[in-house]
This record gives sequence, structure tokens and C-alpha cells, in this order.
Amino acid sequence: SQQGEEDPQALSIQEGENATMNCSYKTSINNLQWYRQNSGRGLVHLILIRSNEREKHSGRLRVTLDTSKKSSSLLITASRAADTASYFCATADSGNTPLVFGKGTRLSVIA
Amino acid sequence: DAGVIQSPRHEVTEMGQEVTLRCKPISGHDYLFWYRQTMMRGLELLIYFNNNVPIDDSGMPEDRFSAKMPNASFSTLKIQPSEPRDSAVYFCASSSIQTQYFGPGTRLTVL
Repeated sequence: SQQGEEDPQALSIQEGENATMNCSYKTSINNLQWYRQNSGRGLVHLILIRSNEREKHSGRLRVTLDTSKKSSSLLITASRAADTASYFCATADSGNTPLVFGKGTRLSVIA
Repeated sequence: DAGVIQSPRHEVTEMGQEVTLRCKPISGHDYLFWYRQTMMRGLELLIYFNNNVPIDDSGMPEDRFSAKMPNASFSTLKIQPSEPRDSAVYFCASSSIQTQYFGPGTRLTVL
């Protein structure tokens, strides 16, 4: 089964800077999703991008998808201390199969 | 809606004891997933149900693990007998389409 692999594993930035996380996967997908996990909490869905989409925005989040390279990126603009969390990409190869999660990127935003 | 509800939030038990984790999915969701998260292995899908029927349990580590979904509003994950290597955070998630909604997790410690 495909698995998203996030890069970098950990990222530390100053408040106000942009944070970029990347995800690579192995096989064809129906959609790719990004989730956030705060320490000690469950994962929270951030954004979904379908295989026929190239870019999507939601507030300060921007997600791109390049199916030819089997990669996606998540950009958080003007980061805040509250953005400190782990970020996971997850892929689905069809509309009714479960997601496969990567191991995540740990983002630390320093005030 | 209260979201996905899991109980207990924390469980400490001794090796050999039976452990039962509980989950109440979001009303109207027809998919339910059980995950296990550890630092070493990340987020692993254990089993998932569709309309209360187990679809794929290939992620269940061994026969000591079992899961049931007797109705649309309740599921259990049971470990019998428990072992120290079962220590992890166990998440339940539910979905109706592709987006999954996670519960807060049960932190299990097996001594």
C-alpha cells in the first residue's frame, strides 16, 4: 500500500515565518489529505486535495499536488506559536479505501 | 455533535490483563477506524468497519487483539492478554466520505 512520507521530520521556525512541509507517496491516489496533531490530542483534518487538483487554499494554508512527481507540499504562511504541532499527510487510492498516514513533520514555531 | 468519543482516556494495567477500549463514532458516519500510534511505528491502521461490518483487519497485530462493532454507535477494541509492547495511544476515527474525524485517543500503558 502507498504511504506518504513527510519531509523534514522536524522543523523549527520563528513566529511570522512561513513553514513548508513536503510529502511523497508511491502509487496512484484518489486524494491526498493533511492533518494536524497537537501534543496529546487526536488528528484534525486540515485540507483535502483531489488527484485532478494542483493547488488548494484554506486560510493561511496552501497545499500543492504534483501527481507526476507523486508529491505534495503544505505551506503555512505567517506562522504562529499555536501552529506548533505534528503535521501528517495521508493518501487514499480510491474513494472508499482507508487513508494511509505518513510519520509526520514536527513543527515548532518559536515566539 | 460531540465528535468521536473514546473511553477511557488513560489506562494503566499489568501484563496479562484484559483491556477494553471503547469508541462512539459521530452519528451518521458509516466508517469506523481503529489506529495505534507509537513513536517507533507512527500511526498504524488496525482495523476498519463499514456499516458495522469489519472490512479489513490485516493490521491487527495478532490474535490477542479483537474488535467489534455491535451497532452503528459503538465499537470496542479488546486486548487479551495485554503485553508491555501494546503500550501506545489508540485512536478511533469515523468518516462518512473521505475526511476522518479522530477521537482524543486512549493512552494505554501495560506494565
